[in-house]
Amino acid sequence: DVKVTQSSRYLVKRTGEKVFLECVQDMDHENMFWYRQDPGLGLRLIYFSYDVKMKEKGDIPEGYSVSREKKERFSLILESASTNQTSMYLCATIGTQGPYEQYFGPGTRLTVT
Amino acid sequence: KQEVTQIPAALSVPEGENLVLNCSFTDSAIYNLQWFRQDPGKGLTSLLLIQSSQREQTSGRLNASLDKSSGRSTLYIAASQPGDSATYLCAVRRNTDKLIFGTGTRLQVFP
Repeated sequence: DVKVTQSSRYLVKRTGEKVFLECVQDMDHENMFWYRQDPGLGLRLIYFSYDVKMKEKGDIPEGYSVSREKKERFSLILESASTNQTSMYLCATIGTQGPYEQYFGPGTRLTVT
Repeated sequence: KQEVTQIPAALSVPEGENLVLNCSFTDSAIYNLQWFRQDPGKGLTSLLLIQSSQREQTSGRLNASLDKSSGRSTLYIAASQPGDSATYLCAVRRNTDKLIFGTGTRLQVFP
């Protein structure tokens, strides 16, 4: 079974802090994704990565950056956290061979005060 | 631009009922469609994946169908149980990278 883990289930940070959210997968998948999920807005893609050191902007990249130094690890960085970044953050992974089933981590509930 | 809609947004049924959740999408050029379950405060769990060439997939009490030409998929849950209470999301993949998600159907099954 694919296992996707996220570094924290719950996180509380102050406005202006630099925040790191980490995601690790154990299936040697090339593609990794970061989403945020908000009530009424559904899941929105922030960034994704096809391979080590590769990254692509998703639909809402503003205020975020990412790092992929190793294939199994994909980090989401909030350079200066703001209250409107309070959200549920979900990491996901998918391989480059069929059937292209996407797997999600357990999520990190981030609150910025 | 692909849009995915799920109806109803919320559903409350008594235990034992068979029920159908609907998902529609505007662009029929999809690679596959995936149904997920999400419990409150948790991540998404993959339930079923249907390739564009398939018409349906089954797993236990769950059956998902796909009609690509009409842009529709349904998730059928047989003999519903309180443990089925969750939000159900469908998502379509246009190519081999991004998924486009619906906003989900929140299901409550009461004893």
